[in-house]
Amino acid sequence: EAGVAQSPRYKIIEKRQSVAFWCNPISGHATLYWYQQILGQGPKLLIQFQNNGVVDDSQLPKDRFSAERLKGVDSTLKIQPAKLEDSAVYLCASSLVGGSTDTQYFGPGTRLTVL
Amino acid sequence: AQSVAQPEDQVNVAEGNPLTVKCTYSVSGNPYLFWYVQYPNRGLQFLLKYITGDNLVKGSYGFEAEFNKSQTSFHLKKPSALVSDSALYFCAVRDPQLGAGNMLTFGGGTRLMVKP
Repeated sequence: EAGVAQSPRYKIIEKRQSVAFWCNPISGHATLYWYQQILGQGPKLLIQFQNNGVVDDSQLPKDRFSAERLKGVDSTLKIQPAKLEDSAVYLCASSLVGGSTDTQYFGPGTRLTVL
Repeated sequence: AQSVAQPEDQVNVAEGNPLTVKCTYSVSGNPYLFWYVQYPNRGLQFLLKYITGDNLVKGSYGFEAEFNKSQTSFHLKKPSALVSDSALYFCAVRDPQLGAGNMLTFGGGTRLMVKP
């Protein structure tokens, strides 16, 4: 069974530029999550989708971050404009139905460096 | 609110010795608890979870964890450490009473170093 796929794996940009990350969840998984992991910290949830609807985006900085999952499968996360403090690994995860006992499976992440 | 603490930034153990990585949590109700491992330049890999039932949970790669409600702890253990176990370990908690959403709250991580 293929895991969660993410691209690109690495991205370096200047501050104030924009960047987008892509995620393809495990086939059949209804729930998709985006996490931000700053160096030396645990991952922090940015947004959770159930199919193509947003369940929780309370920790997403909406002035600069946006995410979509238009067809309920793959998803993109965008930052516009980027700030230095956005340097982090962006992890995508998916789970089967989104129930509270569900296990979340993570992709390899995209490491973003903002200069 | 839900929170997790991993009190040790790093744990050092000799190969073949037992290892313990500590985790304590805070939730308003009964917690769901998870352990993940992260290797360099890799995403998080699921090890095990506690939902209900037996307090001793067995997981992947010979790891197990013990849920202790009175001490609000969920320590990760392995009877005999391998050098290949060296990685970053994360404990996570979910409070099912929080309602909509499936948010995991992660601890800050503990680096495990197993020396030959």
